[in-house]
Amino acid sequence: DVKVTQSSRYLVKRTGEKVFLECVQDMDHENMFWYRQDPGLGLRLIYFSYDVKMKEKGDIPEGYSVSREKKERFSLILESASTNQTSMYLCASSAWGGGPYEQYFGPGTRLTVT
Amino acid sequence: AQTVTQSQPEMSVQEAETVTLSCTYDTSENNYYLFWYKQPPSRQMILVIRQEAYKQQNATENRFSVNFQKAAKSFSLKISDSQLGDTAMYFCAFMRGAGTASKLTFGTGTRLQVTL
Repeated sequence: DVKVTQSSRYLVKRTGEKVFLECVQDMDHENMFWYRQDPGLGLRLIYFSYDVKMKEKGDIPEGYSVSREKKERFSLILESASTNQTSMYLCASSAWGGGPYEQYFGPGTRLTVT
Repeated sequence: AQTVTQSQPEMSVQEAETVTLSCTYDTSENNYYLFWYKQPPSRQMILVIRQEAYKQQNATENRFSVNFQKAAKSFSLKISDSQLGDTAMYFCAFMRGAGTASKLTFGTGTRLQVTL
């Protein structure tokens, strides 16, 4: 059974803290993605990675960074958390290639910044 | 840039009835893919159905089917014989055919409630 896991389901942090969200997949997928999900806005891509140590900005990268040191793990970093980063964060992975490959999603991390 | 529009924020349907969720998109690409994803309450997002733009035949997966109108840039999802387990947020998504990153552009979602 394919699986994408995220380190926390719920997280509460204070403004200015450095926050790490971890994502692990066990499908040997090349591509990994970080989205944030907000009511009325759908899912918006923050960053993605198509290989170890490779990353590209998505649609809303400001205030975020990522790290991919191992193929199975993709981390999202909030260098200095702000209240407008309160959101649901979803990680996903997919196979590499030009086909319509399915993205497999993790359960999400609901982050609250106070 | 591509955009995906879901104009129905919420819908309701009775069990065993049929419901259609709307999705339109805007792109200048000719090679692309379209998807419907489902996010049940407090559960992980899963793929419902996918469609290749170069295929004229509409995709079907059991009770789920799409009406793909390429010229109109419309991609609606029909759920037949609705079940309580179909209650979820449904997202329409677009993927460019070129390149290998498999990035998705999502719509804002439609919340579907299936009632007894």
